[in-house]
Amino acid sequence: EDQVTQSPEALRLQEGESSSLNCSYTVSGLRGLFWYRQDPGKGPEFLFTLYSAGEEKEKERLKATLTKKESFLHITAPKPEDSATYLCAVQAPRNTDKLIFGTGTRLQVFP
Amino acid sequence: EPEVTQTPSHQVTQMGQEVILRCVPISNHLYFYWYRQILGQKVEFLVSFYNNEISEKSEIFDDQFSVERPDGSNFTLKIRSTKLEDSAMYFCASSRDSGTEAFFGQGTRLTVV
Repeated sequence: EDQVTQSPEALRLQEGESSSLNCSYTVSGLRGLFWYRQDPGKGPEFLFTLYSAGEEKEKERLKATLTKKESFLHITAPKPEDSATYLCAVQAPRNTDKLIFGTGTRLQVFP
Repeated sequence: EPEVTQTPSHQVTQMGQEVILRCVPISNHLYFYWYRQILGQKVEFLVSFYNNEISEKSEIFDDQFSVERPDGSNFTLKIRSTKLEDSAMYFCASSRDSGTEAFFGQGTRLTVV
């Protein structure tokens, strides 16, 4: 069965303290891996798409990387406004568009 | 910036009543989806819709659920006879092409009492 596991469940960081969030997946042929940010009571906000191992994408303080078994979301020098739940989702196999989500990592950044 | 719009933002309904959740996807997108998120749980796929028909549905999407694109802009999810366990946040999403990123609306919080 296709599965996505995110760790840690929750992460508290001091402002400026860099860290990484992990998303490990078991799927029968990865079509794409997606990172989203979700604020409380809101819909997921798209961040990155990764399609193949070795691929990297960057946006401001966030950088996403992908291997054959997992993806990392690196947060460099976070600010309080980066506080949110970060969701990882995979799309697999080739003939489906549905996203399979992990449970997310709840990030809190303190000033 | 184009966005997916959902109405209403919050709906309270009595068990057994029918509800219709409405969505306006991004205008040049061709693929449409409904997901739901029960409080404290994962976002779960319900159904995908392309070329005026359902392309995929989950086990959750049983005969009580239906989707429709009544005109060129709206996309609706109908729950025929709501149950307490249907209480959740329902998200509409759309994507431009197959395999590309989906953009989500802000959700409709459905409360069944």
